[in-house]
Amino acid sequence: GQSLEQPSEVTAVEGAIVQINCTYQTSGFYGLSWYQQHDGGAPTFLSYNALDGLEETGRFSSFLSRSDSYGYLLLQELQMKDSASYFCAVRDRNRGSTLGRLYFGRGTQLTVWP
Amino acid sequence: DAGVIQSPRHEVTEMGQEVTLRCKPISGHDYLFWYRQTMMRGLELLIYFNNNVPIDDSGMPEDRFSAKMPNASFSTLKIQPSEPRDSAVYFCASSLWIRGDTGELFFGEGSRLTVL
Repeated sequence: GQSLEQPSEVTAVEGAIVQINCTYQTSGFYGLSWYQQHDGGAPTFLSYNALDGLEETGRFSSFLSRSDSYGYLLLQELQMKDSASYFCAVRDRNRGSTLGRLYFGRGTQLTVWP
Repeated sequence: DAGVIQSPRHEVTEMGQEVTLRCKPISGHDYLFWYRQTMMRGLELLIYFNNNVPIDDSGMPEDRFSAKMPNASFSTLKIQPSEPRDSAVYFCASSLWIRGDTGELFFGEGSRLTVL
């Protein structure tokens, strides 16, 4: 089966940097994704790592270490609007499907204070 | 593009009633996923389709749940009979597989189900 571990909540102030860690266990690993979800809204895609290293997209960066089954999402220059839940999701191989399946962690609630 | 469209947005029903949730994926997408979100269990994958064919339904909780995709632009998730523990937000998501791509899922706004 699959399991993902991430902190349940993180708080920070505007302008700060926060890192949300994710460790995972799965077979047939394809890659690690990150999604953002505001209260009552749909999850939206942030980033994807298939290979080791850092991917940067504006204020957000995501890191993956396949050997450690570990990744993190780094949010810089925090803004109030970044207050949301952040989910790591493992994409794994699945018989009969080239896309694979996407399994989500329980999510990390980020609260940004002024 | 209109995005993934789900209906109804909210449904309140009584235990034992049949519930049908509907989803229209993004045109051209070849994968469709149904997820359920609760505080206790987070986002759970229930079932997914590729080119209208169910690929993996191992996440469907029990026989009371069924899902169909009669064509590329429509899918339903049915619960019969419904129970209070089925109360959750049900999300539909679609994706277009391109080799080497991110496998990004596009989610609908969800259907919030309350079973009394």
